[in-house]
Amino acid sequence: AQRVTQPEKLLSVFKGAPVELKCNYSYSGSPELFWYVQYSRQRLQLLLRHISRESIKGFTADLNKGETSFHLKKPFAQEEDSAMYYCALSLGDSGNTPLVFGKGTRLSVIA
Amino acid sequence: AAGVIQSPRHLIKEKRETATLKCYPIPRHDTVYWYQQGPGQDPQFLISFYEKMQSDKGSIPDRFSAQQFSDYHSELNMSSLELGDSALYFCASRIRFQYPPEAFFGQGTRLTVV
Repeated sequence: AQRVTQPEKLLSVFKGAPVELKCNYSYSGSPELFWYVQYSRQRLQLLLRHISRESIKGFTADLNKGETSFHLKKPFAQEEDSAMYYCALSLGDSGNTPLVFGKGTRLSVIA
Repeated sequence: AAGVIQSPRHLIKEKRETATLKCYPIPRHDTVYWYQQGPGQDPQFLISFYEKMQSDKGSIPDRFSAQQFSDYHSELNMSSLELGDSALYFCASRIRFQYPPEAFFGQGTRLTVV
């Protein structure tokens, strides 16, 4: 079965410090990986996906198939980055496969 | 832009009662997913529908049922509620076969069973 692991439940960093939220997955095929963010009292929203190779709000994530990882990084954390971050996996079949979520990491950026 | 609408936002029920949660997907989205997120937990997939047919089933209890209607909205029916059913219930919608795949989430219905 597919599984997503986020080893850190809580990550606290100072403003301006680099951030790395870890995500590892287990799936033998070629999955689609996503990062979703949930700000306080708001809905889950897509932050970025690996196939787009984009940088959103200064965040990037690179899929490392060898290490089966999809860590989320930002060089300089901002207070508004404080939120819950979920790594999610979807089978790369472009079909109806539901997302499998990790348990989430709460990022707290301290001024 | 229209988003996924869930109703109600908050619901308080007593044990053994029933509850119905509603989800209105983004227009033209044909697929709906239901997720349950307990306090401090990750979202757990319950069930999904495509074109009004159940397409995938996750950890949905037998006490729960769901359906998708002709206008693509979906309802999650919960019976014999237990204290452990207290959670945030998310609905997400997407267009099947759209690539890259992306699901859009509603704000959720917070169910409290007392």
